[in-house]
Amino acid sequence: EDQVTQSPEALRLQEGESSSLNCSYTVSGLRGLFWYRQDPGKGPEFLFTLYSAGEEKEKERLKATLTKKESFLHITAPKPEDSATYLCAVQPWGGGADGLTFGKGTHLIIQP
Amino acid sequence: DVKVTQSSRYLVKRTGEKVFLECVQDMDHENMFWYRQDPGLGLRLIYFSYDVKMKEKGDIPEGYSVSREKKERFSLILESASTNQTSMYLCASAPGDKGKLFFGSGTQLSVL
Repeated sequence: EDQVTQSPEALRLQEGESSSLNCSYTVSGLRGLFWYRQDPGKGPEFLFTLYSAGEEKEKERLKATLTKKESFLHITAPKPEDSATYLCAVQPWGGGADGLTFGKGTHLIIQP
Repeated sequence: DVKVTQSSRYLVKRTGEKVFLECVQDMDHENMFWYRQDPGLGLRLIYFSYDVKMKEKGDIPEGYSVSREKKERFSLILESASTNQTSMYLCASAPGDKGKLFFGSGTQLSVL
């Protein structure tokens, strides 16, 4: 069974304090790993797709990386507007009805 | 700009009522999904459709049904609402490979 575990569950940082969120996964064969951002009361918004170990993607203060067992979302010099819940999901090859297994998310708070 | 629109932002219903949640996408995507999201449980798939008039059960289909009469519209039906169906309901659509989901803003349903 495919599994996605995100850590920590919650993280509070000061503005400008860089850190990383972790997404550990178990999947029979990885087709893609996805990161989403979710603001309170809204639907998740797509950030990145990673397909193979060693791949990296960047967007503003965010950088996502992928290894064979986990992905990291690095946040550099975060601002209060980066506060959100960050979700990770995996898509296995030939997997299931929807093909995506989601983690429970990391709730990130950036304090001014 | 791509868009997934859910008909209601907030909904309050009584136990036993029949409830319809509507979702429309303007991206000509083949795939559409209904998820529910609860604190501590993450996103759970209710139903999925890969084509007009086609549907597949997700992880938690009990107490729900769906309808997809047109490609752009996917409806979730609660046949007889119960208090344990109080939740945030999220609709999503995706292109052929189902990897990158586009979510609506969600419907917060309260069943009293």
